[in-house]
Amino acid sequence: AQKVTQAQTEISVVEKEDVTLDCVYETRDTTYYLFWYKQPPSGELVFLIRRNSFDEQNEISGRYSWNFQKSTSSFNFTITASQVVDSAVYFCALSESSSSGGSYIPTFGRGTSLIVHP
Amino acid sequence: DAGVTQSPTHLIKTRGQQVTLRCSPKSGHDTVSWYQQALGQGPQFIFQYYEEEERQRGNFPDRFSGHQFPNYSSELNVNALLLGDSALYLCASSHPPPTGSRYGYTFGSGTRLTVV
Repeated sequence: AQKVTQAQTEISVVEKEDVTLDCVYETRDTTYYLFWYKQPPSGELVFLIRRNSFDEQNEISGRYSWNFQKSTSSFNFTITASQVVDSAVYFCALSESSSSGGSYIPTFGRGTSLIVHP
Repeated sequence: DAGVTQSPTHLIKTRGQQVTLRCSPKSGHDTVSWYQQALGQGPQFIFQYYEEEERQRGNFPDRFSGHQFPNYSSELNVNALLLGDSALYLCASSHPPPTGSRYGYTFGSGTRLTVV
């Protein structure tokens, strides 16, 4: 079973539109960690945010915001007023103990490619 | 402050050959993890090294092996290359598990391996 599902393979928007990237995860653990990474064409995965399972507070950082809902096992990412520089592949990842021998090795989704047109 | 550096950036190998990829972790990090990212897919965990030993391993065959040196740098070796090994190989560094993994990894830009 896939641990992290990013159902949107590709999203195309016009600059200044708001866009939400979906992430649904699956775990039996009560303690786990969720992440979002951005991968520009250069290939490097850039860390955006980390959230632990005990903190359901939503977070806002500039144009970025994250909505964590344990009831639906979702950790969605919204970009407000998108810009061309936001074009990249975005990955959601889950770190849990049970599937990695206690080491919390991150498991990644397949990613969502965001294309922002000028 | 240097982040994670990987070399080479690109590599072309012939099926059946062997390849070695290199990684230097971010300053202050002593744990190195390797991921394989096929085109259009998410990164898949290969293995993790800490204190010069392989600590965790993903679902990859024994053709994939690694090493960590006393200065925390690491190598990924792949023997008997297959066409399906063509991918972006990402190195990530962190503090030791489990704490380091909980706080996320710092990734390099990867090595693009093409097997022909």
